[in-house]
Amino acid sequence: NAGVTQTPKFRVLKTGQSMTLLCAQDMNHEYMYWYRQDPGMGLRLIHYSVGEGTTAKGEVPDGYNVSRLKKQNFLLGLESAAPSQTSVYFCASSPLASGGANEQFFGPGTRLTVL
Amino acid sequence: QKEVEQDPGPLSVPEGAIVSLNCTYSNSAFQYFMWYRQYSRKGPELLMYTYSSGNKEDGRFTAQVDKSSKYISLFIRDSQPSDSATYLCAMRHRGGSNYKLTFGKGTLLTVNP
Repeated sequence: NAGVTQTPKFRVLKTGQSMTLLCAQDMNHEYMYWYRQDPGMGLRLIHYSVGEGTTAKGEVPDGYNVSRLKKQNFLLGLESAAPSQTSVYFCASSPLASGGANEQFFGPGTRLTVL
Repeated sequence: QKEVEQDPGPLSVPEGAIVSLNCTYSNSAFQYFMWYRQYSRKGPELLMYTYSSGNKEDGRFTAQVDKSSKYISLFIRDSQPSDSATYLCAMRHRGGSNYKLTFGKGTLLTVNP
């Protein structure tokens, strides 16, 4: 099992460029999440999905779009990158919550710099 | 007031010390309390979780929840250099459909050999 994988690991963009971050999980999890992590800000939820074909906004959704066409994949898009989107992006997945901690499994992260 | 408050540190201790990490929260609906550990340049991973109040022990780690004070703690006994990481508390409501976690900002811990 690879767990949660993210592509790419690093990327440098110029302001106004677009890109897509890919997240894949092989644990058959229902829920998937995109976070950004900035110094002093902690983990902030961008968008999440409760199942294939569904998406919802998190805490900081502006400037991002997502799609979950397949259960195992969750894509995060930046249509017109801005320097404020320089961050480390983490994808996570979790199983259907049936009590318990609903542990979220995180990917290794994507370091994005927008110049 | 933020839902979850966590002192970011940094915290630096000598090897073998007892470490205490803490979070406070304001939302009384939180029922599940978790501690994630994040090594440098890695994703967070779940270390421990506790349901409602009480203590839970796992080896050198003990998690405590005091719901009356809205305060949670993680204790690390006999700390090791390999414990050097950022520790994030996280919480969620009870209920099958509430899958979102609210994270603290994390505390950076360094254990010096």
